[in-house]
Amino acid sequence: GQQLNQSPQSMFIQEGEDVSMNCTSSSIFNTWLWYKQDPGEGPVLLIALYKAGELTSNGRLTAQFGITRKDSFLNISASIPSDVGIYFCAGQYSNTGKLIFGQGTTLQVKP
Amino acid sequence: EPEVTQTPSHQVTQMGQEVILRCVPISNHLYFYWYRQILGQKVEFLVSFYNNEISEKSEIFDDQFSVERPDGSNFTLKIRSTKLEDSAMYFCASSPRTYANEKLFFGSGTQLSVL
Repeated sequence: GQQLNQSPQSMFIQEGEDVSMNCTSSSIFNTWLWYKQDPGEGPVLLIALYKAGELTSNGRLTAQFGITRKDSFLNISASIPSDVGIYFCAGQYSNTGKLIFGQGTTLQVKP
Repeated sequence: EPEVTQTPSHQVTQMGQEVILRCVPISNHLYFYWYRQILGQKVEFLVSFYNNEISEKSEIFDDQFSVERPDGSNFTLKIRSTKLEDSAMYFCASSPRTYANEKLFFGSGTQLSVL
């Protein structure tokens, strides 16, 4: 089945630093989504990308849908302690809405 | 803001017992999903459901699993005879529509522990 490779697996940064994470796939997706998961909670949607090359921002978050439709990145600028959590990329290709998730990037922010 | 609600938040059961996990999707949504997440691993697709039937299911969703929308609001996942490896966080999700480009909204999950 389709697999997403997400990197890095974890990051430990200083408050105020910028963060970048990305996902790659061997297959094409029609949609890329980025979710954040806090401990004991469900994934919360951060950004959705629908077109190849699309660059979308949500506050301090910026994500792009790769031109090849096989990759996406998420940037967080000027990180703050509440950015701590696990960030998942997810790709969608079928018309049933099924999402394929990456392995997640665990972000820790030191005040 | 509308949200997907799941009950119970935690469920402990003995191996071989049946469990039913319940979800109330967002009210005007038409597509419903179950995903699961084994501790420390990624979120995995189980099944999608539309118009009172399964649209797609993964290889995880074997004969022990079933889904139902018994009334206009609830969406349930039943595991007939639980196994130890069914222990995981189960997430319900819903979306208003899907043409391979729609956002899914997730509930907070039910943590299932099979002893």
